[in-house]
Amino acid sequence: DADVTQTPRNRITKTGKRIMLECSQTKGHDRMYWYRQDPGLGLRLIYYSFDVKDINKGEISDGYSVSRQAQAKFSLSLESAIPNQTALYFCATSDIGTVGGYTFGSGTRLTVV
Amino acid sequence: GDSVTQMEGPVTLSEEAFLTINCTYTATGYPSLFWYVQYPGEGLQLLLKATKADDKGSNKGFEATYRKETTSFHLEKGSVQVSDSAVYFCALRGNAGNNRKLIWGLGTSLAVNP
Repeated sequence: DADVTQTPRNRITKTGKRIMLECSQTKGHDRMYWYRQDPGLGLRLIYYSFDVKDINKGEISDGYSVSRQAQAKFSLSLESAIPNQTALYFCATSDIGTVGGYTFGSGTRLTVV
Repeated sequence: GDSVTQMEGPVTLSEEAFLTINCTYTATGYPSLFWYVQYPGEGLQLLLKATKADDKGSNKGFEATYRKETTSFHLEKGSVQVSDSAVYFCALRGNAGNNRKLIWGLGTSLAVNP
């Protein structure tokens, strides 16, 4: 099994619908992140969480919300999806104690029509 | 604030050519530096890292040296293969204050032709 699992892998949804993207990890890391990737814009941070009780907005949090249900689970919600939220979404984790990098999931490709 | 600038792509090379992807940074203190690779249809993977000046990170034939005097961390490979075709991201993690998130470059797409 993958260290960081994202579901679904692909999703097409209609404008105005609520959608949740889920992320779970087996790394035992405290910190989790949600990014979106758009061509030419690189990775942009949506929300991040340093532990279960800590949630922080990133660069582009408007239109998104998150829930950290447990150390291993961090979900991203689009309350009312709009077409410019069409993107590739990545969940990542990192460990507090190391000068290490992040472990990424395989991504969710979301299309809002 | 902290930032990372990497060369724009796409970069197109023939197999066995020499690769350089430039990355420069702006940061307070002494950041750690990273290169990530994203293969088609996959998430990002850590390729190599360096945590202090003059450190050289290396992996899979790729190398990058942390140059504080030029604030650079250029990625190099002596002989690329078709399987190296991917998007490469440079990133830094600051050590000052509460800067514990990665700051990302925009990515450089590499295509290697047989």
